[in-house]
Amino acid sequence: DGGITQSPKYLFRKEGQNVTLSCEQNLNHDAMYWYRQDPGQGLRLIYYSQIVNDFQKGDIAEGYSVSREKKESFPLTVTSAQKNPTAFYLCASSGSDRVDYGYTFGSGTRLTVV
Amino acid sequence: GIQVEQSPPDLILQEGANSTLRCNFSDSVNNLQWFHQNPWGQLINLFYIPSGTKQNGRLSATTVATERYSLLYISSSQTTDSGVYFCAGGPFYGGSQGNLIFGKGTKLSVKP
Repeated sequence: DGGITQSPKYLFRKEGQNVTLSCEQNLNHDAMYWYRQDPGQGLRLIYYSQIVNDFQKGDIAEGYSVSREKKESFPLTVTSAQKNPTAFYLCASSGSDRVDYGYTFGSGTRLTVV
Repeated sequence: GIQVEQSPPDLILQEGANSTLRCNFSDSVNNLQWFHQNPWGQLINLFYIPSGTKQNGRLSATTVATERYSLLYISSSQTTDSGVYFCAGGPFYGGSQGNLIFGKGTKLSVKP
């Protein structure tokens, strides 16, 4: 079955550490996205990529970095510069055909600073 | 940027009741989607509906693009419909999707 896999489901970070969240898709989608969700809030865009080796900042990119070396993979690094990283992180992808425009989301990673 | 307002913020229904959720946009969008987030956090795409009406089982959605709003109808609600419903909108650029901006969601609780 095609889909998006995010790992790990739960992640604990110590102060000053960088951590990397994994996102892999086998839907052959060109575009991939990272969103952050805080309790009781909507989703806010961190970074997105429309094509391999290219990505753009979203609304809250400060303290985060990404890479897109393969079509299937779009990892997100939460750096020590991110002051309040505790949140639920969601990865999504979408295709370039009209029948495939709808976003498909992974099951998310819950990051907690300890 | 585009602002997305959803109403109502909270909704409690008895099982079997019908409901209508609304989404207003501050500017025109040509990419509009509805999602359901279950209590475990999984987001499921319900509709891609930049205009017109679509139906999928007990759910249907209507978007009136010229008036910048969309409606999600839930009929004969079930306890499994509980969760948060998000609408999101954004532009298309030359055939590629731009950012989807999400509303704050409508939290639906269906009581047995």
